[in-house]
Amino acid sequence: QQPVQSPQAVILREGEDAVINCSSSKALYSVHWYRQKHGEAPVFLMILLKGGEQKGHEKISASFNEKKQQSSLYLTASQLSYSGTYFCGTVPLIQGAQKLVFGQGTRLTINP
Amino acid sequence: DAMVIQNPRYQVTQFGKPVTLSCSQTLNHNVMYWYQQKSSQAPKLLFHYYDKDFNNEADTPDNFQSRRPNTSFCFLDIRSPGLGDAAMYLCATSRVLSGHLYEQYFGPGTRLTVT
Repeated sequence: QQPVQSPQAVILREGEDAVINCSSSKALYSVHWYRQKHGEAPVFLMILLKGGEQKGHEKISASFNEKKQQSSLYLTASQLSYSGTYFCGTVPLIQGAQKLVFGQGTRLTINP
Repeated sequence: DAMVIQNPRYQVTQFGKPVTLSCSQTLNHNVMYWYQQKSSQAPKLLFHYYDKDFNNEADTPDNFQSRRPNTSFCFLDIRSPGLGDAAMYLCATSRVLSGHLYEQYFGPGTRLTVT
């Protein structure tokens, strides 16, 4: 079952912060985050493996609450280059999972 | 650089005329995926190979088939393209080791137009 992302779209000014949420109805093993710019392929951002795990890369970080089956992506002091559509991909807590289930995406627009 | 390559980048085919899209990887990953992505939608998984094992999604039409002759190459065959098959087709690779699914690397995609 597809995870649900919220919000579906967000518009920010450069320098503002954003939070994108990803929620699943199934128990999760891990959550992946990807960013896709218009006309390009998705690019991997990070994987969260354990409950409570938080990761960061520059000003983009994420958390994973396995009890709530939720993950959040945090974009701090957003830059124009952060514009794009963000997808979470979930891996269910089953043995031998080989594929992701992508959320519907969150379109992020950063204006000067 | 290790990468995922897709050819062609743009493909125009006629309604009902078979078409083959190709994907190659230099990452030596054991899993290869084919996704269909339409405008403003999430990538939709069509099927994937874990090594030589083919895994079809339940809702993938029979019109779509795939071949993986070796670790490096994977092909998507559309036997009789319809107008509704016009989309971006993305190939991706990943590793599954000790039950852990690692990140996916995507190729640049093939934009398919059906006339």
